[in-house]
Amino acid sequence: DTGVSQDPRHKITKRGQNVTFRCDPISEHNRLYWYRQTLGQGPEFLTYFQNEAQLEKSRLLSDRFSAERPKGSFSTLEIQRTEQGDSAMYLCASSFPTSGTDTQYFGPGTRLTVL
Amino acid sequence: QQQVKQSPQSLIVQKGGISIINCAYENTAFDYFPWYQQFPGKGPALLIAIRPDVSEKKEGRFTISFNKSAKQFSLHIMDSQPGDSATYFCAADHGGGYNKLIFGAGTRLAVHP
Repeated sequence: DTGVSQDPRHKITKRGQNVTFRCDPISEHNRLYWYRQTLGQGPEFLTYFQNEAQLEKSRLLSDRFSAERPKGSFSTLEIQRTEQGDSAMYLCASSFPTSGTDTQYFGPGTRLTVL
Repeated sequence: QQQVKQSPQSLIVQKGGISIINCAYENTAFDYFPWYQQFPGKGPALLIAIRPDVSEKKEGRFTISFNKSAKQFSLHIMDSQPGDSATYFCAADHGGGYNKLIFGAGTRLAVHP
């Protein structure tokens, strides 16, 4: 399978714990996006990488959220001191713009439940 | 100005019928309008997309109609099938050199046999 993969698919944690999610983009895709999707809503943009550079992080929900893409390949999203309101699906997408188009391919997501 | 408003919230269509989902936006800087399909437990998958220089785009049973002056666009699914039952999201590109997509709230479509 050469699509975007995310790990873990499900994570249950207790309030106050730190969690880290991993995203492996499609090979050769230089752009990587993180979104959050709450129940009954569309995905909400969080942050964006071009290669290893994080070009926008203004939408990261608080300073408890951070993301990295150290070698321009896989990326991690960390949430520190989780809160119940962080419970959501965290989606990763990747793309490689060609000829004026920049289709984002989404992974299956990591569903986070904070107890 | 950053919102994309989508309607209806849910839709029930009989097999063979036409499903129509509507979206409206305010930000005239948006220049890319994709539709995504999402099945339960899966990530969204691109269905079809349009840019504002055309008023309609058709791919198979799926058509986007775009009205730039009204700042509205819609998805039409012809000959709807039970396998089309999913949640559909419209989105708009925020611009700025990359696609920071702004999504609508979604429409849950059920196609009954």
